[in-house]
This record gives sequence, structure tokens and C-alpha cells, in this order.
Amino acid sequence: DAGVTQSPTHLIKTRGQHVTLRCSPISGHKSVSWYQQVLGQGPQFIFQYYEKEERGRGNFPDRFSARQFPNYSSELNVNALLLGDSALYLCASSLAGSHYEQYFGPGTRLTVT
Amino acid sequence: KNEVEQSPQNLTAQEGEFITINCSYSVGISALHWLQQHPGGGIVSLFMLSSGKKKHGRLIATINIQEKHSSLHITASHPRDSAVYICAASNTGNQFYFGTGTSLTVIP
Repeated sequence: DAGVTQSPTHLIKTRGQHVTLRCSPISGHKSVSWYQQVLGQGPQFIFQYYEKEERGRGNFPDRFSARQFPNYSSELNVNALLLGDSALYLCASSLAGSHYEQYFGPGTRLTVT
Repeated sequence: KNEVEQSPQNLTAQEGEFITINCSYSVGISALHWLQQHPGGGIVSLFMLSSGKKKHGRLIATINIQEKHSSLHITASHPRDSAVYICAASNTGNQFYFGTGTSLTVIP
């Protein structure tokens, strides 16, 4: 069975631009969560989606948004990029949310210049 | 103050040593997760527990709900155990709180 996949692997953007990151969960998993990990720090929780609805939100500005599609894949959108948005963005899927084991994707490395 | 605190931040051990990493949390939790992150970023879930103790090979995780404390033990450590170990707490509001990680280096 394929694991969690994320695209793209690496991305370089300029301040003020917009970015869309994509995540495909493990087959049968209905929940996707997004995390930001700045170099040298632990991950920070951004969003959790279950059955296409937002079920949890971390302490991130409104420039960050996400959605989940009927096939349970997900997109994370970040508007008006700042230098501080440079990070590894991780996606994790689970059967049904935070009470279940999380399976992480390889991440998307975003660099904002 | 972070909702999840880990100690130590860095740990160096000789191959074969018994290792303990500690995690304290201040939030009410539905589950406590122990994660392993290798250089390059990939994260693997080692344990998810809400009570008691779990064992997988040389790894053991325990949790004390009353004291809001969890430990990850590695018996007979090996250089391939070198990684960052992260404790994360999830609550009933579907929030995740992460510790800053413990960087473990096991020397042959």
C-alpha cells in the first residue's frame, strides 16, 4: 500500500506570492492534518480535516487555509508569503483523527526568498 | 510556557546503553504520541498511548495520566537509533501540541 504522498518535494517562492501544497492520504484514511516545522524546531499544528470538514486549527494567521476533497486528499494554501513561512510542511493521515495513529508524508520544503 | 516539554534536548549514548527520554504535558489529552524523525525530515510514529505501557521491540513507552508524564525507553541502544524523538499530545479538540524534540546520538 502506498504511504502518504506530498507534492511538490521542494519549492522556492518569493515574498508576497501564493503557494499550494498537496497531500494524498493512505487509502482508507479519512483524516488529514497539516504541520509546519521550522528548521531546528518541533512541528507546529496548522489544521486537521476529517470527512472534508475542518476539525481542528492551530494558531496560524488567516493567510493559511486548507481544504479536503471528496477523495480525502488535501491542499494547504498560504497567501502573501513571508520569509518566516520558510519551513518543512508535513502532512499526516489517519483513519479518523487525532485519536488514531498518524502516518506522516515526506514533507514539502518551502523556501521563501 | 510550552504545553509539551521534553528532556533532555540532546543525548549522547554508547551503543548498548539504556536510554530514557521524558515528556511532560500540561493539557488534557486524548492520546500521547511518540515520533521519530531522521535527518532529511521523515517522521515515523512509534507509539500512540492513552494509558499504561506499550512495547515494540527494544522500545517501550509509558504514560502516567495523573502526573501528566510519559517516558520513552530504548533498551540496548544501537547507532541506527540515532534520530530526533518527538513527543506530541493530542486533545479532544483535535489539537496537536509538540515538544521540541530530543536529539539522540548513539556512538558505536
